[in-house]
Amino acid sequence: KNEVEQSPQNLTAQEGEFITINCSYSVGISALHWLQQHPGGGIVSLFMLSSGKKKHGRLIATINIQEKHSSLHITASHPRDSAVYICAVSSNSNSGYALNFGKGTSLLVTP
Amino acid sequence: DSGVTQTPKHLITATGQRVTLRCSPRSGDLSVYWYQQSLDQGLQFLIQYYNGEERAKGNILERFSAQQFPDLHSELNLSSLELGDSALYFCASSVSGRSPLHFGNGTRLTVT
Repeated sequence: KNEVEQSPQNLTAQEGEFITINCSYSVGISALHWLQQHPGGGIVSLFMLSSGKKKHGRLIATINIQEKHSSLHITASHPRDSAVYICAVSSNSNSGYALNFGKGTSLLVTP
Repeated sequence: DSGVTQTPKHLITATGQRVTLRCSPRSGDLSVYWYQQSLDQGLQFLIQYYNGEERAKGNILERFSAQQFPDLHSELNLSSLELGDSALYFCASSVSGRSPLHFGNGTRLTVT
């Protein structure tokens, strides 16, 4: 099983700060995913990465395959970014979403 | 709105009982995935169906089973329920393993 570690576990930031959440995994993967879980429980898929970097609005995700590490960055953070951010990896080439999940990073952005 | 519909939203039942959770995928999505989120284990992949056939299996207990019907909706059956089965159960769908994944709002199961 692919072990997925996230850090930090909890993060509090002030509005406007630059935020970084880290994810490392133990064995080779076919893809890495970043998910956002809102306080109400709903989950949204933010990024799917197999190499390089992706950007969507104020969110940037990077992956270093050699180091088995990914980062999720949030620029100009806002209170609405408060959520749990979950890293997940797929090692099954037959099933893109048979995922192993990290425990999540709980982010609180204060005004 | 993700387009994935899960019913019911909440379910409270007793130990030893059997329940069925239902998921309707986004229109056009052939793959359905089931995940369990509990306080102690976090999110875990249970099972995937693709166009009616089982494609991948994760940490799904033998007391649990699932199926995908010809209209592509899926059901997750949980039997001989235990207190530890209390969790949020998410269904998600995608066109393929490389296309975006869309989650339903989940079914919160409480076993008393």
